[in-house]
Amino acid sequence: DGGITQSPKYLFRKEGQNVTLSCEQNLNHDAMYWYRQDPGQGLRLIYYSQIVNDFQKGDIAEGYSVSREKKESFPLTVTSAQKNPTAFYLCASSNPGNEQFFGPGTRLTVL
Amino acid sequence: GEDVEQSLFLSVREGDSSVINCTYTDSSSTYLYWYKQEPGAGLQLLTYIFSNMDMKQDQRLTVLLNKKDKHLSLRIADTQTGDSAIYFCAEGFGNEKLTFGTGTRLTIIP
Repeated sequence: DGGITQSPKYLFRKEGQNVTLSCEQNLNHDAMYWYRQDPGQGLRLIYYSQIVNDFQKGDIAEGYSVSREKKESFPLTVTSAQKNPTAFYLCASSNPGNEQFFGPGTRLTVL
Repeated sequence: GEDVEQSLFLSVREGDSSVINCTYTDSSSTYLYWYKQEPGAGLQLLTYIFSNMDMKQDQRLTVLLNKKDKHLSLRIADTQTGDSAIYFCAEGFGNEKLTFGTGTRLTIIP
């Protein structure tokens, strides 16, 4: 089955800790994206990558970091510099000119 | 910058039609999308329309685009309980970056 997987589904973190969210796709898509979803605010773009070893900041990149060492993988690290990290995080992928496919999401809660 | 606006909530009786509205600001958008999100899940593409089209119909779904007013709507005919979800409109140029609306939570009244 082709698709996008995100793990874990639920993640708890203590304040001051870094945490990495996984996103893997086997759709052979060139581009991958990370979004943050908060109630009543829609989706906001954190980072995106259009090709391996390259990525760009989105609208709310502060406090986050990414890497794109493989086409299939685009992990997101939420650092301790992110002041309000509790949210639902969605990963997506696409090929140019086509729609974005979304993973099931990871809900991060900071304790 | 781009801005996409939607009403946050809509309640519709089962069997009636639902109309979800969206306004956007970026006139260079080439694609406009409707996504559906069920509780605790990712987004699923429902349909999309090219900016040079006025209407697109796909089974129970009808998308209307008024490019002059930058207004997009999604009509769901014969609304069912399984249609309960959050619906997002999104605009994009190609598909490199999408700007999403706030989402409209559709509640079905039995």
